[in-house]
Amino acid sequence: SAVISQKPSRDICQRGTSLTIQCQVDSQVTMMFWYRQQPGQSLTLIATANQGSEATYESGFVIDKFPISRPNLTFSTLTVSNMSPEDSSIYLCSVEVSGGLSYEQYFGPGTRLTVT
Amino acid sequence: GESVGLHLPTLSVQEGDNSIINCAYSNSASDYFIWYKQESGKGPQFIIDIRSNMDKRQGQRVTVLLNKTVKHLSLQIAATQPGDSAVYFCAESASGTYKYIFGTGTRLKVLA
Repeated sequence: SAVISQKPSRDICQRGTSLTIQCQVDSQVTMMFWYRQQPGQSLTLIATANQGSEATYESGFVIDKFPISRPNLTFSTLTVSNMSPEDSSIYLCSVEVSGGLSYEQYFGPGTRLTVT
Repeated sequence: GESVGLHLPTLSVQEGDNSIINCAYSNSASDYFIWYKQESGKGPQFIIDIRSNMDKRQGQRVTVLLNKTVKHLSLQIAATQPGDSAVYFCAESASGTYKYIFGTGTRLKVLA
């Protein structure tokens, strides 16, 4: 397993500003993921972040809006840029850990973002 | 595109009874499935997984059943407890891809 922490746990931001969310893992992992979970809904993958390479974004998400850094094997950041109320959501970091034949994903506690 | 969906958005169960949460998936190439539990204000927590070469897997008080013929997945919780109250998500992925597709979630309410 892996223990994942995120900062901040929650924030209220004004539209037009940016927020950087930090994700820290207690062990070295190759693959880290960023998800968005809108209120009352399921999880949507934003991007995959591997150390030493550019993040890979899913359809509907672009680097200019959600720049990601992955400076080492235990840390990543996601920035939500030029925020609008539609960006109000929970942002979750996850990591993939090999469990023998399977690759389990473990999640951080999430960052609850409200944009006013 | 591929999707994972759930039949019941909310399930209310009496404490001590068994719970069954269902999930349908549409990608026949998916061969790995996970159930997650998400409590209020927390991230999803891994419960149990199953690969497509199995049709049943048991954990502590939980059992996952996989029916590949009808692309159906279920999570059974035995002797449901108040601490089981949460939203449960199924997720699927296919070999060779790290991507997980999550279902819409079922809220389990345990009645005292």
